[in-house]
Amino acid sequence: LAKTTQPISMDSYEGQEVNITCSHNNIATNDYITWYQQFPSQGPRFIIQGYKTKVTNEVASLFIPADRKSSTLSLPRVSLSDTAVYYCLVGATGGGNKLTFGTGTQLKVEL
Amino acid sequence: GAVVSQHPSRVICKSGTSVKIECRSLDFQATTMFWYRQFPKQSLMLMATSNEGSKATYEQGVEKDKFLINHASLTLSTLTVTSAHPEDSSFYICSARLGASTDTQYFGPGTRLTVL
Repeated sequence: LAKTTQPISMDSYEGQEVNITCSHNNIATNDYITWYQQFPSQGPRFIIQGYKTKVTNEVASLFIPADRKSSTLSLPRVSLSDTAVYYCLVGATGGGNKLTFGTGTQLKVEL
Repeated sequence: GAVVSQHPSRVICKSGTSVKIECRSLDFQATTMFWYRQFPKQSLMLMATSNEGSKATYEQGVEKDKFLINHASLTLSTLTVTSAHPEDSSFYICSARLGASTDTQYFGPGTRLTVL
């Protein structure tokens, strides 16, 4: 399973764009990249998933370079309610779909 | 769509008793469900993979006789913590995989277990 590396924490202010980068140098050909958000005492919430290039949904964008050794989650105009831990995970359909959670990034949004 | 529920949301029990936690996929069928444990200020740790109709696959270091998993239907998996001890106090979270071609897992809200 590919190991991921993320910053332990990030601080931002309301209204700003936040970009969280994740390194996954050992990503395999059939691995997808998935990001989750977790609030205290809650289960992780799916944010976005991608395989290559760029994916965008109503809450975030995911940028994946051609070599796929990293990915960047972009949160536009964050608010206080975006304060949470964000996890980047990689996993393959052929690997039993097990997901290995890394340390995650604690994002703190202030006024 | 893709809602996963857990019951109970929190439970307090005495040491030595057994506790059952249910995980349900409410609007989809899940052939595979996963059980995680999370200690305070730490990340999620995968305990086991639960496949409908077959025995669960446990991660290294997880005692299968202590953490009994049953996945009797496509929408229900249960985790039973047998003879619980204070060190088993943790946040237990299940997830269900949607579809067979992606890694999208949808997580339940978690169950806070406190063993006195």
